[in-house]
Amino acid sequence: EVQLVESGGGLVQPGGSLRLSCAASGFTFTNYEMNWVRQAPGKGLEWVSYISSSGTTIYYADSVKGRFTISRDNAKNSLYLQMNSLRAEDTAVYYCARTVVVVIDYWGQGTLVTVSS
Amino acid sequence: DIQMTQSPSSLSASVGDRVTITCRASQGISNHLAWFQQKPGKAPKSLIYAASSLQSGVPSKFSGSGSGTDFTLTISSLQPEDFATYYCQQYNSYPLTFGGGTKVEIK
Repeated sequence: EVQLVESGGGLVQPGGSLRLSCAASGFTFTNYEMNWVRQAPGKGLEWVSYISSSGTTIYYADSVKGRFTISRDNAKNSLYLQMNSLRAEDTAVYYCARTVVVVIDYWGQGTLVTVSS
Repeated sequence: DIQMTQSPSSLSASVGDRVTITCRASQGISNHLAWFQQKPGKAPKSLIYAASSLQSGVPSKFSGSGSGTDFTLTISSLQPEDFATYYCQQYNSYPLTFGGGTKVEIK
């Protein structure tokens, strides 16, 4: 069974940092691309970042470029999102999503990030 | 960036109704379109990819069509478990972009 379990969310002050993790199981992690997608409270879905299966190709949304860093550790079956210089508008549930040839097929349950003083 | 526009933003329907949701892309995206279902407080669930192909395990009451800029998601006979918000998403190019969502409510 495919499982994606996010962790690392919480309350952080504006300007602060958080590192999200996504633990993958039930499939061969090294074979899949991954995405982070977020959803602000009461709002729609917003794509955040993409990483290829090898980690060599990375994309970011303009809204997070220069502040967020996506990475993966294939030996640990884990995906990460380092978030720096956080703003109130980054408040959202963050989902990791398994991706095959650009198509998202499985989603994690999400982790809530709240940026507030 | 490719803009995705869904309509309607919400609709009320009864159990057993046939429901159609429309999604329009700001430029041609071939068939590189996916549909997702999201229930309150839950993660999205993948329903359809390549505009009309069902993800594994998705019941055949869901169907998708379209190519280029205009796409539809149809639920053939609405059941209580289908009341949710539905999103379209283009994957023709990064940044991936989503429609604003269509909330399907009980009449």
